[in-house]
Amino acid sequence: GAGVSQTPSNKVTEKGKYVELRCDPISGHTALYWYRQSLGQGPEFLIYFQGTGAADDSGLPNDRFFAVRPEGSVSTLKIQRTERGDSAVYLCASSPQTVSGANVLTFGAGSRLTVL
Amino acid sequence: QKEVEQDPGPLSVPEGAIVSLNCTYSNSAFQYFMWYRQYSRKGPELLMYTYSSGNKEDGRFTAQVDKSSKYISLFIRDSQPSDSATYLCAMKGYGGATNKLIFGTGTLLAVQP
Repeated sequence: GAGVSQTPSNKVTEKGKYVELRCDPISGHTALYWYRQSLGQGPEFLIYFQGTGAADDSGLPNDRFFAVRPEGSVSTLKIQRTERGDSAVYLCASSPQTVSGANVLTFGAGSRLTVL
Repeated sequence: QKEVEQDPGPLSVPEGAIVSLNCTYSNSAFQYFMWYRQYSRKGPELLMYTYSSGNKEDGRFTAQVDKSSKYISLFIRDSQPSDSATYLCAMKGYGGATNKLIFGTGTLLAVQP
């Protein structure tokens, strides 16, 4: 596609429920990132995929968070037993194979998650 | 202490003013420095990136990096109401196992017509 697509754009759920957020990166981009942005804050790194594998998942806050990218394209961020503190905008970004280390990320519009 | 510090603002300027946005950082391993612009309810979009120290100019925008002071700046000349947005600095090291960008908190800019 022309840009990074994220669905749903908005998700309201109840505490304790399971949530999946989907990201469709730019075609041909091998690197995919998930970030979380809370109100008034900058994006906070969660996980980075190079192809199908998670190259760095050091930002995942706990074991309730998990992400997959089974075919090296679309990725799904999964959150189990949601808590009110999980409420944030979840941003996905993709980039081509790193050129000279610049690592230029293109972001999607985000999925706004509200946990009641 | 956060690795990247950025004044959240808000910063309000009249149309046509020169705007200066800044970030400081603590990690001397950072080599790539980016500025992203984020409109309300949108994802961040890349404005400029710079490798190591120096200046880079693109139209009304100039990015400066001073690695000796661990200080980066973005200047906007002849600011327009359409420049009203949150400006995020971001940075990363070179190579290694991770390619993650570390972001500042963002500065909210309002350009008044």
